[in-house]
Amino acid sequence: QVQLQESGSGLVKPSQTLSLTCAVSGGSISSGGYSWSWIRQPPGKGLEWIGYNHHSGSTYYNPSLKSRVTISLDRSKNQFSLKLSSVTAADTAVYYCASCNSSSWYWFDPWGQGTLVTVSS
Amino acid sequence: DIQMTQSPSSLSASVGDRVTITCRASQSISSYLNWYQQKPGKAPKVLIYAASSLQSGVPSRFSGSGSGTDFTLTISSLQPEDFATYYCQQSYNTPITFGQGTRLEIK
Repeated sequence: QVQLQESGSGLVKPSQTLSLTCAVSGGSISSGGYSWSWIRQPPGKGLEWIGYNHHSGSTYYNPSLKSRVTISLDRSKNQFSLKLSSVTAADTAVYYCASCNSSSWYWFDPWGQGTLVTVSS
Repeated sequence: DIQMTQSPSSLSASVGDRVTITCRASQSISSYLNWYQQKPGKAPKVLIYAASSLQSGVPSRFSGSGSGTDFTLTISSLQPEDFATYYCQQSYNTPITFGQGTRLEIK
């Protein structure tokens, strides 16, 4: 059973870069048909897809964040990461990593437990 | 971007009630529609994928229907553990988008 666990800094200063890692256990990120994804949720608000590293090898990002986002895989460590540059208070959110079943209907399962990132000086 | 609009935004119901939540897409998305349940402080959990397919392990009181632009999630008989927030999500194209959520509360 695949499990995901986020880690990284919970407090980031404005204009700096947010960095998070998602460790995958119980399965390989090199498995076909899965896209490794980041989704965020500002406190008290809804869900926003950030992007994913598609099983084809391409990365897809939300246009609203595209200029600031990088999602990359580390196959040697079986983990993937998120970098979001030039952060502001609007980037304060719970960040989730998730596996996307991209061989068919593109649903997210499983998810990590989420990590709160606060942007503040 | 494809906009996903859920209704209602909040709903009060009692244990045993039948509840329906609606999700409308701003353009046709075929059956590329998934439903999630989220409880406070927890990650979302997929209930339904491809509009009407029940995810393994999800109780059969949950069902989904629809195609094109209009979709519904139905809970046939509410249980205490079903009080949560529900989100729809389209996967027809990127950017992947979610509805704003429907909060289901105890009456």
